[in-house]
Amino acid sequence: QVHLVESGGGVVQPGRSLRLSCAASGFTFGDYGMHWVRQAPGKGLEWVAVIWYDGSKKVYADSVKGRFTISRDNSKNTLSLHMDSLRAEDTATYYCVRERWLKSFENWGQGTLVTVSS
Amino acid sequence: EIVLTQSPGTLSLSPGESATLSCRASQAITNRYLMWYQQKPGQAPRLLIYGVSSRDTGIPDRFRGSGSGTDFTLTISRLEPEDFAVYYCQHYGDSPPWTFGQGTKVEIK
Repeated sequence: QVHLVESGGGVVQPGRSLRLSCAASGFTFGDYGMHWVRQAPGKGLEWVAVIWYDGSKKVYADSVKGRFTISRDNSKNTLSLHMDSLRAEDTATYYCVRERWLKSFENWGQGTLVTVSS
Repeated sequence: EIVLTQSPGTLSLSPGESATLSCRASQAITNRYLMWYQQKPGQAPRLLIYGVSSRDTGIPDRFRGSGSGTDFTLTISRLEPEDFAVYYCQHYGDSPPWTFGQGTKVEIK
């Protein structure tokens, strides 16, 4: 079955960087678009970024554009999110998500918590 | 970018009752990219409905998605104890971003 496992979360000071990773298994990783979605504590869901199945296109939410970089390694079945210039408002649980039918988000990881605080 | 507004914010119901959750778009949705997710405390969201009305694999038929234009509905008939959760609608236009509604909490009355 599909398995997505995020890692790399933690506490980081404002202005610093952090890199999240997502290990995928149970499907042909290189066939699917992949996303990061985040959820601030007690808040709703916010789409963060998408990378096309072959890495040819990347799109970001306005809130993270220019600061976050999504990437993937199809040979290692891994998805990454490099986050620079972190702000307090980036504090959230970050989910790795597989896109499937009609642009839906069918499979989610368990999430990794990023806390930006001094 | 279409904004999704969900109502009500909280729905208080008893097991066995039916729930009607609304998702209103700021302008007409002309494609089929309207989804619904369920999220329980401490868990990742789970896809329920895609393409306005198609249930994802393993989703019970008591979950029904419907609607068109600006008004979309998730109906849960005969609420089971495990259905009490937060529900989000989501839309994708012809290009990114994907947008979510703010969520509706279905709680036990």
